[in-house]
Amino acid sequence: AQTVTQSQPEMSVQEAETVTLSCTYDTSESDYYLFWYKQPPSRQMILVIRQEAYKQQNATENRFSVNFQKAAKSFSLKISDSQLGDAAMYFCAYRSLPPGNAGNMLTFGGGTRLMVKP
Amino acid sequence: EAQVTQNPRYLITVTGKKLTVTCSQNMNHEYMSWYRQDPGLGLRQIYYSMNVEVTDKGDVPEGYKVSRKEKRNFPLILESPSPNQTSLYFCASSLGVFGLRSPLHFGNGTRLTVT
Repeated sequence: AQTVTQSQPEMSVQEAETVTLSCTYDTSESDYYLFWYKQPPSRQMILVIRQEAYKQQNATENRFSVNFQKAAKSFSLKISDSQLGDAAMYFCAYRSLPPGNAGNMLTFGGGTRLMVKP
Repeated sequence: EAQVTQNPRYLITVTGKKLTVTCSQNMNHEYMSWYRQDPGLGLRQIYYSMNVEVTDKGDVPEGYKVSRKEKRNFPLILESPSPNQTSLYFCASSLGVFGLRSPLHFGNGTRLTVT
């Protein structure tokens, strides 16, 4: 079974600065999907960014980008120009490709709480 | 508005008293699933359903039941809740077997406390 590890339970960043959240995963598969989700205090789960493992190019969504290192099984999230609204819990998640039941499940890391200081 | 609706948002109950958490989606999604969120453990999948009358176990199914009699509804049933089921629960859905083109939509969560 796949495992996802977020080694930083909490991080803080000054407003307007850049912060990187770490995520590593363990898998024997060669193709899969990776995701970052944001959970603000409202408890919503919001998809931030996603990456297909076969794509070498790192995904980018506005101020959010990833550093995907397939050989190292690392998928970190970089938030540039941090804003107060970025304060939230962030979860890294892994999904196998179908076929098979493993393709129907998301495996989440334990989360990183990000605090943004004004 | 396209959404996944869970009810109730908060629930406090006692050990052994059967309860149901409802989940409904209005997007005609085939795939629905339930997760529980616990500190330090992230979200763990309880059950999922690929379509009507098709359900399967996730990582932590013990103590839970689900049913999928209609496409839009996927209730989570705790026949005899215990304190270790105190958690934050999320229902989620997607159009098909989700991937990059069919992202997972989450409900707003149900905070369950079992005393």
